[in-house]
Amino acid sequence: DAGVIQSPRHEVTEMGQEVTLRCKPISGHNSLFWYRQTMMRGLELLIYFNNNVPIDDSGMPEDRFSAKMPNASFSTLKIQPSEPRDSAVYFCASSQDSYEQYFGPGTRLTVT
Amino acid sequence: SQKIEQNSEALNIQEGKTATLTCNYTNYSPAYLQWYRQDPGRGPVFLLLIRENEKEKRKERLKVTFDTTLKQSLFHITASQPADSATYLCASPRGYSTLTFGKGTMLLVSP
Repeated sequence: DAGVIQSPRHEVTEMGQEVTLRCKPISGHNSLFWYRQTMMRGLELLIYFNNNVPIDDSGMPEDRFSAKMPNASFSTLKIQPSEPRDSAVYFCASSQDSYEQYFGPGTRLTVT
Repeated sequence: SQKIEQNSEALNIQEGKTATLTCNYTNYSPAYLQWYRQDPGRGPVFLLLIRENEKEKRKERLKVTFDTTLKQSLFHITASQPADSATYLCASPRGYSTLTFGKGTMLLVSP
């Protein structure tokens, strides 16, 4: 299996622009997680999907952030409009039956 | 809410020694704890899961303990190698099948 796939790997954008991050989970996994990692705050859960349905979005910072999972093999995390404080590494992870999580390589987002 | 605390200072040890990393949780005793390894520029990789009723778990050179009295898990790497250098993250379940992660401890193993 190719593992969790994320794109792009790096994104540099200007403040106010829309950013879309993409994730393809491991085939057969029914849970998908979006995380954000910074030096200050560590790894924070943004949103959790189970069987394509958002179950816990309590970590989504504000209305500028939205996430979708239209099918079992694809998810997006969108930031609109982006701000410099959104600069971080964003990880997607998937799991089956929710114990061990498999992380993607991450997207490093820089908002100038 | 549950907080996971790990030593923020890097741990420097000599090759061949045993590395011991600490994970403390603040509130209720979790049903299990997980340990992950993260290399620079990569996503975390799962290493071990230890349940509340398990005092100790081993996998090759890795050993994890769970002490509910001390609210602590210890992660040991025996006969450490430079390739073990990485950041190690501890995680606790937080409901809805999700995890709360500690900020991790960086381990540096010198030849």
